[in-house]
Amino acid sequence: QQQVKQSPQSLIVQKGGISIINCAYENTAFDYFPWYQQFPGKGPALLIAIRPDVSEKKEGRFTISFNKSAKQFSLHIMDSQPGDSATYFCAAPIQGAQKLVFGQGTRLTINP
Amino acid sequence: GAGVSQSPSNKVTEKGKDVELRCDPISGHTALYWYRQRLGQGLEFLIYFQGNSAPDKSGLPSDRFSAERTGESVSTLTIQRTQQEDSAVYLCASSPRHFYNEQFFGPGTRLTVL
Repeated sequence: QQQVKQSPQSLIVQKGGISIINCAYENTAFDYFPWYQQFPGKGPALLIAIRPDVSEKKEGRFTISFNKSAKQFSLHIMDSQPGDSATYFCAAPIQGAQKLVFGQGTRLTINP
Repeated sequence: GAGVSQSPSNKVTEKGKDVELRCDPISGHTALYWYRQRLGQGLEFLIYFQGNSAPDKSGLPSDRFSAERTGESVSTLTIQRTQQEDSAVYLCASSPRHFYNEQFFGPGTRLTVL
């Protein structure tokens, strides 16, 4: 109930294409949904986040879509670039626990 | 400093030895987290500090693992009698009070146990 399930595990997209990564959650008490980006040899960095009172949030080429009824949220990367190649993690906070639970990660490769 | 720093960046040790991993959080961040990331895997929560108290140690895998924090500053993760399965990247993150959802990660310490 405190998990987020992320898919796919790995994804290969051609330059200029759209990358889509999905996460599903069970606990309806989750109230904040961040995505983190991790490059090899680096720690994860917050990329974009959404609260469940909106259905979509866009920052540049990155968009989070949120479907409350389906308990799913997804990251869309438009016009994907080789520099977007990284591992992406979705996460959700555990209410009252002051910590995040992370998905298993998606390794994204953008081919030039 | 500008970000979370961790030291050493790499540590190679022999099975059975003790290791200490250090984390310096962003100045003013009251919350500090330790995670373990095995090769190609996700982030495994280990322990969380609020100030120098640890209200959540639920992720520590065994009593060989312990952590301390001095005030709202540096933290040390100690692994005693290291085992080969302890090999992983150990990540530290910090966040401001009341904004624990936004965690700032350090570069990690890559631990290899031979």
